[in-house]
Amino acid sequence: DVQLVESGGGLVQPGGSLRLSCTASGFPFSSYWMHWVRQAPGKGLLWVSRIKGDESIINHADSVRGRFTISRDNAKSTLYLQMNSLGAEDTAVYYCARGLFDYSGSTIGWWGRGTPVTVSS
Amino acid sequence: DIQMTQSPSSLSASVGDRITITCRASQTIVNYLSWYQQRPGKAPNLLIYMASSLQSGVPSRFSGSGSGTVFTLTINNLQPEDSATYYCQQGNTIPLTFGGGTTVEIK
Repeated sequence: DVQLVESGGGLVQPGGSLRLSCTASGFPFSSYWMHWVRQAPGKGLLWVSRIKGDESIINHADSVRGRFTISRDNAKSTLYLQMNSLGAEDTAVYYCARGLFDYSGSTIGWWGRGTPVTVSS
Repeated sequence: DIQMTQSPSSLSASVGDRITITCRASQTIVNYLSWYQQRPGKAPNLLIYMASSLQSGVPSRFSGSGSGTVFTLTINNLQPEDSATYYCQQGNTIPLTFGGGTTVEIK
C-alpha cells in the first residue's frame, strides 16, 4: 500500500525556518512526481510545490517562491520542503502528496495525513 | 493563474438524494480536472480525475463530467458517509489551483 508520512512540523517564530520531511513507501518513489499542498485553518487547499521523479522539473507557487524549496532524496524515498522566512500566512497543515500515475504531474492520487505548522511569536 | 469557482459553497440534502456540484475555470483546462473529497480532520481523497474517470475504489454513485471550462460532480443515492467538503482542482497549468470547496451536509 502507498504510504506517505510527514514529519517536521511544529511551532516556529516569524522569520524562522523549518524543514518538513515525507517518508514514502509502497511504490517506486523515484518514478513519481511529488507535491506539497497546504491548508490554513478553516480554509481550502493551496498547492505549494511539485518535483518530478528525476528532479528535472521543480515548480513553486508564487506565494512561496524564493522562500520555500522542494527537494527529494530518492535513495531514502524521502521528500523535503525547506521553508525559510516564515510568516503568519504560512500557518497551515502541510500535506505530502503523490502523483496518481508515474507520468502524472498534475493529478494528485495519494495524500499523507499532514503535519501542522504554526508560525507565531 | 487559473481561477476555479465552485458552486454552491454548501448544500444540505437527504440520504438517497442526487446532488450536483459545479466547478468553473477562468479559462479552458481541456479535461484536466480532478475532484477530491475531504472529511473533517482527514486528508483529501481523490474521487475523479481527467474530468470523468472514477478513481479505483471510489463508489460508482460518484461521477464527473464536463470539458473546457465547466465541470460537474454528481453524487447519486447520497449516503451518510458522503458528508464532507468537495474540491475541484485544475491540472492544465502551473500553478495547480483548487476551487474554494463545497460542503455537503446530510439532513
